[in-house]
Amino acid sequence: QSVLTQPPSVSAAPGQKVTISCSGSSSNIGNNYVSWYQQPPGTAPKLLIYDNNKRPSGIPDRFSGSKSGTSATLGITGLQTGDEADYYCGTWDSSLSAWVFGGGTKLTVL
Amino acid sequence: QVQLQESGPGLVKPSETLSLTCIVSGASISGSYWSWIRQPPGKGLQWVGYIFNSGSTNYNPSLRSRVAISVDTSKSQFSLKLNSVTASDTAVYYCVRGKLSLSYSYYMDVWGKGTTVTVSS
Repeated sequence: QSVLTQPPSVSAAPGQKVTISCSGSSSNIGNNYVSWYQQPPGTAPKLLIYDNNKRPSGIPDRFSGSKSGTSATLGITGLQTGDEADYYCGTWDSSLSAWVFGGGTKLTVL
Repeated sequence: QVQLQESGPGLVKPSETLSLTCIVSGASISGSYWSWIRQPPGKGLQWVGYIFNSGSTNYNPSLRSRVAISVDTSKSQFSLKLNSVTASDTAVYYCVRGKLSLSYSYYMDVWGKGTTVTVSS
Protein backbone atom coordinates (compact mmCIF):
# COMPACT_ATOMS: atom_id res chain seq x y z
CA GLN A 1 0.00 0.00 0.00
CA SER A 2 1.59 3.24 -1.16
CA VAL A 3 1.48 6.43 0.90
CA LEU A 4 0.41 8.33 -2.23
CA THR A 5 -2.64 7.06 -4.12
CA GLN A 6 -2.78 6.99 -7.90
CA PRO A 7 -5.31 5.31 -10.20
CA PRO A 8 -3.86 2.01 -11.50
CA SER A 9 -4.62 2.88 -15.11
CA VAL A 10 -5.95 5.55 -17.43
CA SER A 11 -6.52 5.54 -21.16
CA ALA A 12 -7.38 7.92 -23.94
CA ALA A 13 -7.19 8.20 -27.71
CA PRO A 14 -4.31 9.79 -29.62
CA GLY A 15 -4.58 13.57 -29.66
CA GLN A 16 -6.78 13.65 -26.57
CA LYS A 17 -5.99 14.87 -23.07
CA VAL A 18 -5.61 12.80 -19.91
CA THR A 19 -5.08 13.61 -16.26
CA ILE A 20 -3.49 11.44 -13.58
CA SER A 21 -4.23 12.17 -9.95
CA CYS A 22 -2.02 11.68 -6.91
CA SER A 23 -3.61 11.89 -3.49
CA GLY A 24 -1.76 12.21 -0.21
CA SER A 25 -1.96 13.96 3.13
CA SER A 26 -0.75 17.01 5.01
CA SER A 27 2.50 15.25 5.91
CA ASN A 28 3.48 14.82 2.27
CA ILE A 29 1.74 16.56 -0.64
CA GLY A 30 0.02 19.07 1.62
CA ASN A 31 3.31 20.61 2.75
CA ASN A 32 5.89 19.56 0.17
CA TYR A 33 6.51 19.89 -3.53
CA VAL A 34 5.55 17.10 -5.92
CA SER A 35 7.51 15.66 -8.82
CA TRP A 36 6.38 13.31 -11.58
CA TYR A 37 8.29 10.55 -13.38
CA GLN A 38 7.61 8.73 -16.64
CA GLN A 39 8.71 5.11 -17.09
CA PRO A 40 8.20 3.63 -20.56
CA PRO A 41 8.15 -0.18 -20.65
CA GLY A 42 11.51 -1.76 -19.93
CA THR A 43 13.31 1.52 -19.28
CA ALA A 44 14.38 3.66 -16.35
CA PRO A 45 12.13 6.42 -15.02
CA LYS A 46 12.62 9.97 -16.29
CA LEU A 47 11.84 13.25 -14.55
CA LEU A 48 8.82 15.01 -16.09
CA ILE A 49 7.76 17.64 -13.56
CA TYR A 50 9.31 19.06 -10.39
CA ASP A 51 8.22 21.72 -7.91
CA ASN A 52 4.59 20.78 -8.65
CA ASN A 53 4.52 22.37 -12.09
CA LYS A 54 8.01 23.01 -13.49
CA ARG A 55 9.29 21.17 -16.54
CA PRO A 56 12.97 20.29 -16.91
CA SER A 57 14.68 21.31 -20.11
CA GLY A 58 13.59 19.06 -22.97
CA ILE A 59 10.17 18.12 -21.60
CA PRO A 60 7.46 19.36 -23.99
CA ASP A 61 4.74 21.68 -22.73
CA ARG A 62 2.17 18.96 -23.45
CA PHE A 63 3.05 17.82 -19.94
CA SER A 64 1.84 19.93 -17.02
CA GLY A 65 1.54 19.59 -13.28
CA SER A 66 -0.61 21.18 -10.61
CA LYS A 67 -1.26 20.84 -6.89
CA SER A 68 -4.18 21.71 -4.69
CA GLY A 69 -4.24 20.92 -0.99
CA THR A 70 -3.23 17.30 -0.50
CA SER A 71 -3.59 16.25 -4.15
CA ALA A 72 -1.54 16.72 -7.28
CA THR A 73 -2.38 16.19 -10.93
CA LEU A 74 -0.35 15.43 -14.03
CA GLY A 75 -1.89 16.51 -17.31
CA ILE A 76 -0.89 15.33 -20.76
CA THR A 77 -2.37 16.90 -23.88
CA GLY A 78 -2.06 15.89 -27.52
CA LEU A 79 -1.54 12.24 -26.55
CA GLN A 80 0.89 10.23 -28.65
CA THR A 81 1.50 6.49 -28.72
CA GLY A 82 4.97 7.22 -27.39
CA ASP A 83 3.40 8.53 -24.18
CA GLU A 84 2.40 5.00 -23.20
CA ALA A 85 4.23 4.43 -19.93
CA ASP A 86 3.86 4.14 -16.20
CA TYR A 87 3.69 7.48 -14.41
CA TYR A 88 4.69 8.01 -10.78
CA CYS A 89 4.22 10.94 -8.45
CA GLY A 90 6.66 11.48 -5.60
CA THR A 91 7.25 13.80 -2.70
CA TRP A 92 8.89 14.06 0.70
CA ASP A 93 6.91 12.82 3.68
CA SER A 94 7.76 14.90 6.72
CA SER A 95 6.27 12.42 9.20
CA LEU A 96 8.16 9.44 7.80
CA SER A 97 11.29 11.51 7.01
CA ALA A 98 11.35 9.62 3.77
CA TRP A 99 10.73 10.06 0.07
CA VAL A 100 7.50 8.40 -1.04
CA PHE A 101 6.15 7.43 -4.43
CA GLY A 102 2.64 6.78 -5.62
CA GLY A 103 1.82 3.27 -6.76
CA GLY A 104 2.06 4.27 -10.40
CA THR A 105 -0.48 4.75 -13.20
CA LYS A 106 -0.32 2.90 -16.47
CA LEU A 107 -1.26 5.12 -19.40
CA THR A 108 -2.65 3.43 -22.48
CA VAL A 109 -3.07 5.43 -25.67
CA LEU A 110 -5.82 3.60 -27.53
CA GLN B 1 25.80 15.23 -19.80
CA VAL B 2 25.48 13.51 -16.44
CA GLN B 3 25.49 9.71 -16.61
CA LEU B 4 25.10 7.11 -13.90
CA GLN B 5 26.09 3.46 -14.28
CA GLU B 6 25.23 0.76 -11.79
CA SER B 7 27.33 -2.36 -11.32
CA GLY B 8 27.34 -5.35 -9.03
CA PRO B 9 26.40 -9.02 -8.74
CA GLY B 10 23.13 -10.00 -10.38
CA LEU B 11 22.59 -12.88 -7.98
CA VAL B 12 22.86 -12.80 -4.19
CA LYS B 13 22.13 -15.64 -1.76
CA PRO B 14 19.55 -15.21 0.99
CA SER B 15 20.98 -13.83 4.26
CA GLU B 16 24.01 -12.39 2.45
CA THR B 17 24.85 -8.77 1.62
CA LEU B 18 23.82 -7.05 -1.58
CA SER B 19 26.50 -4.62 -2.77
CA LEU B 20 26.11 -2.23 -5.69
CA THR B 21 28.21 0.64 -7.01
CA CYS B 22 27.23 3.60 -9.14
CA ILE B 23 29.82 5.46 -11.20
CA VAL B 24 29.04 9.13 -11.80
CA SER B 25 30.32 10.84 -14.94
CA GLY B 26 29.74 14.31 -16.31
CA ALA B 27 29.17 15.96 -12.93
CA SER B 28 30.84 16.52 -9.60
CA ILE B 29 29.81 14.09 -6.92
CA SER B 30 29.89 16.91 -4.40
CA GLY B 31 26.85 19.04 -3.69
CA SER B 32 24.13 16.60 -4.84
CA TYR B 33 22.04 13.94 -3.23
CA TRP B 34 22.95 10.44 -4.45
CA SER B 35 20.10 7.99 -4.09
CA TRP B 36 19.12 4.41 -4.64
CA ILE B 37 15.63 3.51 -5.82
CA ARG B 38 14.45 -0.04 -6.36
CA GLN B 39 11.61 -1.66 -8.26
CA PRO B 40 10.51 -5.25 -7.54
CA PRO B 41 9.34 -7.21 -10.57
CA GLY B 42 5.99 -5.90 -11.80
CA LYS B 43 5.72 -3.41 -8.96
CA GLY B 44 6.25 0.29 -8.29
CA LEU B 45 9.21 2.37 -7.22
CA GLN B 46 10.60 2.29 -3.69
CA TRP B 47 13.07 4.83 -2.34
CA VAL B 48 15.95 3.12 -0.55
CA GLY B 49 17.85 6.17 0.67
CA TYR B 50 20.37 8.89 -0.17
CA ILE B 51 23.70 10.31 0.82
CA PHE B 52 24.52 14.02 0.64
CA ASN B 53 27.89 15.69 0.54
CA SER B 54 29.75 12.49 1.34
CA GLY B 55 28.38 12.12 4.80
CA SER B 56 24.78 12.88 5.62
CA THR B 57 22.48 9.93 4.95
CA ASN B 58 18.76 9.28 5.08
CA TYR B 59 17.20 5.87 4.64
CA ASN B 60 13.75 4.39 4.08
CA PRO B 61 12.49 3.55 7.59
CA SER B 62 11.49 0.06 6.44
CA LEU B 63 15.11 -0.68 5.40
CA ARG B 64 17.06 1.48 7.85
CA SER B 65 18.36 -1.39 9.98
CA ARG B 66 19.87 -3.19 6.97
CA VAL B 67 21.07 -0.49 4.57
CA ALA B 68 24.14 1.69 4.20
CA ILE B 69 25.03 4.15 1.44
CA SER B 70 28.53 5.55 1.09
CA VAL B 71 30.47 7.76 -1.28
CA ASP B 72 34.03 7.54 -2.64
CA THR B 73 34.70 11.02 -4.00
CA SER B 74 38.15 10.04 -5.30
CA LYS B 75 36.52 7.52 -7.64
CA SER B 76 33.38 9.59 -8.30
CA GLN B 77 31.16 6.75 -7.22
CA PHE B 78 28.70 5.86 -4.51
CA SER B 79 27.64 2.49 -3.17
CA LEU B 80 24.77 0.60 -1.61
CA LYS B 81 25.02 -2.22 0.88
CA LEU B 82 21.91 -4.10 1.98
CA ASN B 83 22.48 -6.93 4.40
CA SER B 84 20.47 -9.98 5.42
CA VAL B 85 18.68 -10.04 2.08
CA THR B 86 15.61 -12.15 1.34
CA ALA B 87 13.66 -12.88 -1.82
CA SER B 88 11.65 -9.70 -1.24
CA ASP B 89 14.80 -7.68 -1.97
CA THR B 90 14.79 -8.97 -5.55
CA ALA B 91 14.40 -5.88 -7.73
CA VAL B 92 15.86 -3.59 -10.34
CA TYR B 93 18.07 -1.15 -8.46
CA TYR B 94 18.51 2.34 -9.89
CA CYS B 95 21.12 4.87 -8.85
CA VAL B 96 19.77 8.39 -9.06
CA ARG B 97 20.92 11.97 -8.63
CA GLY B 98 18.77 14.13 -6.40
CA LYS B 99 18.77 17.90 -6.44
CA LEU B 100 17.33 20.77 -4.47
CA SER B 101 15.35 23.26 -6.52
CA LEU B 102 15.37 27.02 -5.98
CA SER B 103 12.29 26.35 -3.84
CA TYR B 104 14.41 23.99 -1.73
CA SER B 105 12.39 21.01 -2.82
CA TYR B 106 14.06 17.67 -3.47
CA TYR B 107 13.58 15.85 -6.76
CA MET B 108 15.42 13.22 -8.79
CA ASP B 109 16.68 14.41 -12.15
CA VAL B 110 19.13 11.81 -13.49
CA TRP B 111 18.61 8.05 -13.35
CA GLY B 112 20.89 5.17 -14.20
CA LYS B 113 19.65 2.41 -16.48
CA GLY B 114 19.18 0.08 -13.52
CA THR B 115 20.64 -3.28 -12.60
CA THR B 116 18.66 -6.40 -11.78
CA VAL B 117 19.46 -8.17 -8.52
CA THR B 118 17.92 -11.54 -7.76
CA VAL B 119 18.06 -13.04 -4.29
CA SER B 120 18.06 -16.80 -4.56
CA SER B 121 20.03 -19.79 -3.38
